[in-house]
Amino acid sequence: GAGVSQSPSNKVTEKGKDVELRCDPISGHTALYWYRQSLGQGLEFLIYFQGNSAPDKSGLPSDRFSAERTGGSVSTLTIQRTQQEDSAVYLCASSLARFRTSSSYEQYFGPGTRLTVT
Amino acid sequence: AQSVSQHNHHVILSEAASLELGCNYSYGGTVNLFWYVQYPGQHLQLLLKYFSGDPLVKGIKGFEAEFIKSKFSFNLRKPSVQWSDTAEYFCAVNGGAAGNKLTFGGGTRVLVKP
Repeated sequence: GAGVSQSPSNKVTEKGKDVELRCDPISGHTALYWYRQSLGQGLEFLIYFQGNSAPDKSGLPSDRFSAERTGGSVSTLTIQRTQQEDSAVYLCASSLARFRTSSSYEQYFGPGTRLTVT
Repeated sequence: AQSVSQHNHHVILSEAASLELGCNYSYGGTVNLFWYVQYPGQHLQLLLKYFSGDPLVKGIKGFEAEFIKSKFSFNLRKPSVQWSDTAEYFCAVNGGAAGNKLTFGGGTRVLVKP
């Protein structure tokens, strides 16, 4: 079956512009995560959606970052007024997270969106 | 807060050599432990995981890891590496108060020379 997909695969933007990154999770997965992979910071958690619960936004680095998940499926990560330090690969992952089994909580990662802020 | 440390940033070895990558985590409660691999140009893939039970877990491609609770460690091993094992390896943890979000180590780049 289809895995996690993300678009665009690459995005180059000018400093100060807003960008939107999209994630399509695996069908039926109730949990969706955003992470960021950068040279200086490694892999870091950004935000987590689980079903209809309020998202865990504890990893968002500033109020320029926001995310939403519509209809319990597709998610969009928005970065306003981009800065050069926002350059990174933004990864999305999803998990079934519906049953109390270990495999239900395995996270499957998408290919990422490489964001370059010039 | 949880934290994960990987001891080696870069490892270079020859084919057929044995590989061991160290991973230590800080959280003392109940945790789930993972090793992910990222092959060149590919996305993160799960190698193996530990949730409970037998502390020696076996994953794909001949990898295994041992959970030692007393040492807060989850080291990854492979007895005989192949050139195709060239990749970056990430240890990760979740569980407890942190919930399902993953905390990753800094990663170890492994280069296997043919």
